[in-house]
Amino acid sequence: AQTVTQSQPEMSVQEAETVTLSCTYDTSESDYYLFWYKQPPSRQMILVIRQEAYKQQNATENRFSVNFQKAAKSFSLKISDSQLGDAAMYFCAYSSAGTSYGKLTFGQGTILTVHP
Amino acid sequence: GAGVSQTPSNKVTEKGKYVELRCDPISGHTALYWYRQSLGQGPEFLIYFQGTGAADDSGLPNDRFFAVRPEGSVSTLKIQRTERGDSAVYLCASSSGLVGNEQFFGPGTRLTVL
Repeated sequence: AQTVTQSQPEMSVQEAETVTLSCTYDTSESDYYLFWYKQPPSRQMILVIRQEAYKQQNATENRFSVNFQKAAKSFSLKISDSQLGDAAMYFCAYSSAGTSYGKLTFGQGTILTVHP
Repeated sequence: GAGVSQTPSNKVTEKGKYVELRCDPISGHTALYWYRQSLGQGPEFLIYFQGTGAADDSGLPNDRFFAVRPEGSVSTLKIQRTERGDSAVYLCASSSGLVGNEQFFGPGTRLTVL
Protein backbone atom coordinates (compact mmCIF):
# COMPACT_ATOMS: atom_id res chain seq x y z
CA ALA A 1 0.00 0.00 0.00
CA GLN A 2 1.12 3.51 -0.70
CA THR A 3 1.79 5.97 2.10
CA VAL A 4 2.27 9.73 2.08
CA THR A 5 4.12 11.56 4.84
CA GLN A 6 4.15 15.26 5.59
CA SER A 7 6.65 15.82 8.37
CA GLN A 8 5.83 19.48 9.02
CA PRO A 9 2.59 19.84 11.01
CA GLU A 10 2.88 23.63 10.86
CA MET A 11 4.81 26.19 8.85
CA SER A 12 4.79 29.97 8.81
CA VAL A 13 5.98 32.56 6.33
CA GLN A 14 6.05 36.32 6.02
CA GLU A 15 3.93 37.87 3.32
CA ALA A 16 5.85 38.19 0.01
CA GLU A 17 8.45 35.62 1.05
CA THR A 18 8.96 32.03 -0.08
CA VAL A 19 8.11 28.85 1.79
CA THR A 20 8.61 25.18 0.99
CA LEU A 21 6.35 22.38 2.23
CA SER A 22 7.76 18.86 2.33
CA CYS A 23 6.20 15.58 1.29
CA THR A 24 7.60 12.09 0.93
CA TYR A 25 5.79 9.00 -0.26
CA ASP A 26 6.34 5.28 -0.45
CA THR A 27 5.33 3.19 -3.44
CA SER A 28 6.54 0.26 -5.50
CA GLU A 29 4.82 1.58 -8.61
CA SER A 30 6.61 3.36 -11.42
CA ASP A 31 3.70 5.32 -12.82
CA TYR A 32 1.55 7.52 -10.62
CA TYR A 33 0.35 11.06 -10.02
CA LEU A 34 1.10 13.45 -7.18
CA PHE A 35 -0.98 16.39 -6.07
CA TRP A 36 -0.98 19.29 -3.67
CA TYR A 37 -4.39 20.32 -2.41
CA LYS A 38 -5.22 23.38 -0.32
CA GLN A 39 -7.96 23.29 2.30
CA PRO A 40 -8.98 26.66 3.78
CA PRO A 41 -11.24 26.88 6.85
CA SER A 42 -14.26 26.61 4.54
CA ARG A 43 -13.26 22.90 4.15
CA GLN A 44 -13.37 23.04 0.33
CA MET A 45 -10.35 21.20 -1.04
CA ILE A 46 -8.80 23.02 -3.99
CA LEU A 47 -6.19 21.58 -6.33
CA VAL A 48 -2.99 23.61 -6.27
CA ILE A 49 -0.72 21.63 -8.57
CA ARG A 50 -0.38 18.20 -10.18
CA GLN A 51 2.65 16.17 -11.26
CA GLU A 52 2.78 13.12 -13.48
CA ALA A 53 5.54 10.75 -12.37
CA TYR A 54 6.70 9.92 -15.87
CA LYS A 55 7.39 13.59 -16.56
CA GLN A 56 10.80 14.70 -15.36
CA GLN A 57 9.97 18.37 -15.64
CA ASN A 58 8.71 19.90 -12.42
CA ALA A 59 5.19 21.30 -12.59
CA THR A 60 4.58 25.01 -12.06
CA GLU A 61 1.40 27.03 -11.64
CA ASN A 62 2.03 30.74 -11.28
CA ARG A 63 3.53 31.23 -7.80
CA PHE A 64 3.42 27.52 -7.02
CA SER A 65 6.06 25.03 -8.12
CA VAL A 66 7.17 21.58 -7.08
CA ASN A 67 10.50 19.84 -6.65
CA PHE A 68 9.82 16.27 -7.72
CA GLN A 69 12.61 13.83 -6.91
CA LYS A 70 11.39 10.43 -8.11
CA ALA A 71 14.34 8.39 -6.88
CA ALA A 72 14.10 9.95 -3.44
CA LYS A 73 10.28 9.74 -3.49
CA SER A 74 10.06 13.37 -2.53
CA PHE A 75 7.53 15.95 -3.72
CA SER A 76 7.88 19.38 -2.13
CA LEU A 77 5.78 22.46 -2.81
CA LYS A 78 7.31 25.90 -3.10
CA ILE A 79 5.13 28.96 -2.70
CA SER A 80 6.75 32.18 -3.92
CA ASP A 81 5.63 35.70 -3.06
CA SER A 82 3.34 34.35 -0.33
CA GLN A 83 -0.02 36.06 0.08
CA LEU A 84 -2.41 36.21 3.01
CA GLY A 85 -4.86 34.12 0.97
CA ASP A 86 -2.37 31.27 0.87
CA ALA A 87 -3.01 30.55 4.54
CA ALA A 88 -4.64 27.12 4.75
CA MET A 89 -4.00 23.44 5.39
CA TYR A 90 -2.01 21.88 2.56
CA PHE A 91 -2.24 18.20 1.71
CA CYS A 92 0.06 16.16 -0.45
CA ALA A 93 -1.71 13.27 -2.21
CA TYR A 94 -0.81 10.23 -4.30
CA SER A 95 -2.81 8.46 -6.98
CA SER A 96 -1.81 5.28 -8.75
CA ALA A 97 -1.91 5.25 -12.55
CA GLY A 98 -2.86 1.61 -12.39
CA THR A 99 -6.01 -0.07 -11.20
CA SER A 100 -6.82 1.95 -8.11
CA TYR A 101 -9.37 4.01 -10.03
CA GLY A 102 -7.71 7.28 -9.19
CA LYS A 103 -8.43 7.22 -5.47
CA LEU A 104 -6.24 9.58 -3.53
CA THR A 105 -4.00 8.74 -0.58
CA PHE A 106 -3.39 11.87 1.48
CA GLY A 107 -0.69 12.92 3.90
CA GLN A 108 -1.47 14.31 7.34
CA GLY A 109 -1.37 17.91 6.18
CA THR A 110 0.67 21.03 6.94
CA ILE A 111 -0.96 24.15 8.37
CA LEU A 112 0.49 27.21 6.68
CA THR A 113 0.27 30.57 8.43
CA VAL A 114 1.08 33.76 6.51
CA HIS A 115 2.12 36.78 8.58
CA PRO A 116 1.48 40.28 7.23
CA GLY B 1 -20.94 26.01 -13.69
CA ALA B 2 -21.96 24.54 -10.38
CA GLY B 3 -19.40 22.64 -8.37
CA VAL B 4 -19.88 19.62 -6.16
CA SER B 5 -22.52 20.18 -3.51
CA GLN B 6 -23.15 18.25 -0.32
CA THR B 7 -26.09 18.30 2.04
CA PRO B 8 -26.49 18.81 4.87
CA SER B 9 -23.43 20.89 5.69
CA ASN B 10 -23.72 19.83 9.31
CA LYS B 11 -25.48 16.91 10.90
CA VAL B 12 -25.82 16.20 14.60
CA THR B 13 -27.26 12.85 15.61
CA GLU B 14 -27.43 10.55 18.59
CA LYS B 15 -25.54 7.33 18.97
CA GLY B 16 -27.42 4.47 17.36
CA LYS B 17 -29.34 6.58 14.84
CA TYR B 18 -29.30 6.25 11.05
CA VAL B 19 -28.01 9.08 8.84
CA GLU B 20 -27.86 9.82 5.14
CA LEU B 21 -25.39 12.21 3.55
CA ARG B 22 -25.98 13.44 0.01
CA CYS B 23 -23.56 14.41 -2.74
CA ASP B 24 -24.38 16.15 -6.03
CA PRO B 25 -21.38 15.85 -8.37
CA ILE B 26 -20.47 18.09 -11.25
CA SER B 27 -22.76 17.38 -14.20
CA GLY B 28 -21.22 14.87 -16.57
CA HIS B 29 -18.64 13.53 -14.14
CA THR B 30 -18.77 9.76 -14.18
CA ALA B 31 -16.41 9.17 -11.26
CA LEU B 32 -17.50 9.89 -7.70
CA TYR B 33 -15.49 9.38 -4.52
CA TRP B 34 -16.31 9.55 -0.82
CA TYR B 35 -13.62 10.35 1.75
CA ARG B 36 -13.72 10.74 5.52
CA GLN B 37 -11.63 13.34 7.29
CA SER B 38 -11.10 13.17 11.03
CA LEU B 39 -10.09 16.29 12.91
CA GLY B 40 -6.56 17.38 12.07
CA GLN B 41 -6.00 14.52 9.61
CA GLY B 42 -5.92 14.04 5.88
CA PRO B 43 -8.97 12.59 4.12
CA GLU B 44 -9.20 8.80 3.89
CA PHE B 45 -10.78 7.02 0.96
CA LEU B 46 -14.08 5.26 1.55
CA ILE B 47 -15.66 4.29 -1.77
CA TYR B 48 -15.46 4.97 -5.51
CA PHE B 49 -18.26 4.89 -8.08
CA GLN B 50 -17.83 4.71 -11.83
CA GLY B 51 -21.30 5.41 -13.15
CA THR B 52 -23.87 3.61 -11.05
CA GLY B 53 -21.65 0.85 -9.71
CA ALA B 54 -19.34 0.87 -6.72
CA ALA B 55 -16.06 -0.10 -8.36
CA ASP B 56 -14.07 0.01 -5.13
CA ASP B 57 -15.57 -0.02 -1.62
CA SER B 58 -12.40 -1.18 0.12
CA GLY B 59 -12.28 1.91 2.34
CA LEU B 60 -15.64 1.44 4.03
CA PRO B 61 -14.77 0.72 7.69
CA ASN B 62 -17.52 -1.85 8.34
CA ASP B 63 -20.95 -3.01 7.20
CA ARG B 64 -22.71 -0.11 8.93
CA PHE B 65 -21.55 2.05 6.03
CA PHE B 66 -23.18 1.83 2.64
CA ALA B 67 -23.37 4.10 -0.39
CA VAL B 68 -25.48 4.21 -3.53
CA ARG B 69 -25.56 6.08 -6.80
CA PRO B 70 -28.65 4.68 -8.52
CA GLU B 71 -28.76 6.92 -11.59
CA GLY B 72 -25.08 7.62 -11.99
CA SER B 73 -25.32 11.15 -10.65
CA VAL B 74 -26.35 11.91 -7.05
CA SER B 75 -24.84 9.66 -4.40
CA THR B 76 -25.96 8.98 -0.85
CA LEU B 77 -23.70 7.71 1.92
CA LYS B 78 -25.69 5.84 4.55
CA ILE B 79 -24.52 5.08 8.06
CA GLN B 80 -26.50 2.75 10.30
CA ARG B 81 -26.33 2.54 14.08
CA THR B 82 -23.99 5.52 14.29
CA GLU B 83 -21.18 5.50 16.83
CA ARG B 84 -19.26 8.40 18.37
CA GLY B 85 -16.22 7.32 16.38
CA ASP B 86 -18.09 8.06 13.15
CA SER B 87 -17.87 11.79 13.91
CA ALA B 88 -15.87 13.39 11.10
CA VAL B 89 -16.19 15.48 7.96
CA TYR B 90 -17.39 13.41 5.02
CA LEU B 91 -16.10 14.72 1.71
CA CYS B 92 -17.37 13.91 -1.74
CA ALA B 93 -15.40 14.44 -4.93
CA SER B 94 -16.11 13.93 -8.60
CA SER B 95 -13.96 13.76 -11.72
CA SER B 96 -14.19 12.99 -15.40
CA GLY B 97 -13.15 9.43 -14.67
CA LEU B 98 -9.72 9.46 -16.28
CA VAL B 99 -7.07 8.31 -13.84
CA GLY B 100 -4.89 11.20 -12.74
CA ASN B 101 -7.43 13.85 -13.52
CA GLU B 102 -8.33 16.47 -10.95
CA GLN B 103 -10.91 15.52 -8.38
CA PHE B 104 -13.27 18.36 -7.54
CA PHE B 105 -14.34 18.34 -3.92
CA GLY B 106 -17.51 19.44 -2.22
CA PRO B 107 -17.49 21.42 1.04
CA GLY B 108 -18.18 18.31 3.07
CA THR B 109 -20.72 17.29 5.69
CA ARG B 110 -19.61 17.57 9.29
CA LEU B 111 -21.18 14.66 11.18
CA THR B 112 -21.30 14.79 14.96
CA VAL B 113 -22.52 11.75 16.86
CA LEU B 114 -23.42 12.52 20.47
